[in-house]
Amino acid sequence: IAGITQAPTSQILAAGRRMTLRCTQDMRHNAMYWYRQDLGLGLRLIHYSNTAGTTGKGEVPDGYSVSRANTDDFPLTLASAVPSQTSVYFCASSEGAGAVGELFFGEGSRLTVL
Amino acid sequence: RKEVEQDPGPFNVPEGATVAFNCTYSNSASQSFFWYRQDCRKEPKLLMSVYSSGNEDGRFTAQLNRASQYISLLIRDSKLSDSATYLCVVNNRIGYSTLTFGKGTMLLVSP
Repeated sequence: IAGITQAPTSQILAAGRRMTLRCTQDMRHNAMYWYRQDLGLGLRLIHYSNTAGTTGKGEVPDGYSVSRANTDDFPLTLASAVPSQTSVYFCASSEGAGAVGELFFGEGSRLTVL
Repeated sequence: RKEVEQDPGPFNVPEGATVAFNCTYSNSASQSFFWYRQDCRKEPKLLMSVYSSGNEDGRFTAQLNRASQYISLLIRDSKLSDSATYLCVVNNRIGYSTLTFGKGTMLLVSP
């Protein structure tokens, strides 16, 4: 059972470069999310999508964009990476919108911006 | 007041001990409550939901006090494998219906 697949697992990136973190789920879940996790700050929501074709901003959306062209894929793009975007990024999904049920997480993408 | 607050720990306990984690939340309109577990350098995974009447799953007991906006997790007979960070999670219905995570409480169970 694959669940949620994220790529890359880790990446070192020069500041100013564009980067897309990929996220694919095979559970046919309606809602998907991107979180970042930083030491001392916990998990913070970047963007979310309640269903294919719709997206919304979370707590820390600046510098990030997302798209949801279909149910399975929810890529996160950093248009011009900055060192403060160094973090571990987790993609997640839930069966329904509103996050009233269980969130299933990918294994994370560790990004370092130099 | 932060949305979801937890004691960061770490809690160091011997095997077999009983340990309790507490969590407070600021949004009185919150509807759903959960405990997630996160192992070192791994993704969070759902441990259990928290129901108004309290609920138990084996050695784990969760309690909710809506009046005090307080959630607890009790672990009995701690195992080495319980060592992890425990995240208190609350459904935030203001603006967007998504989950708000506490920063987590680290538990270290020693032989």
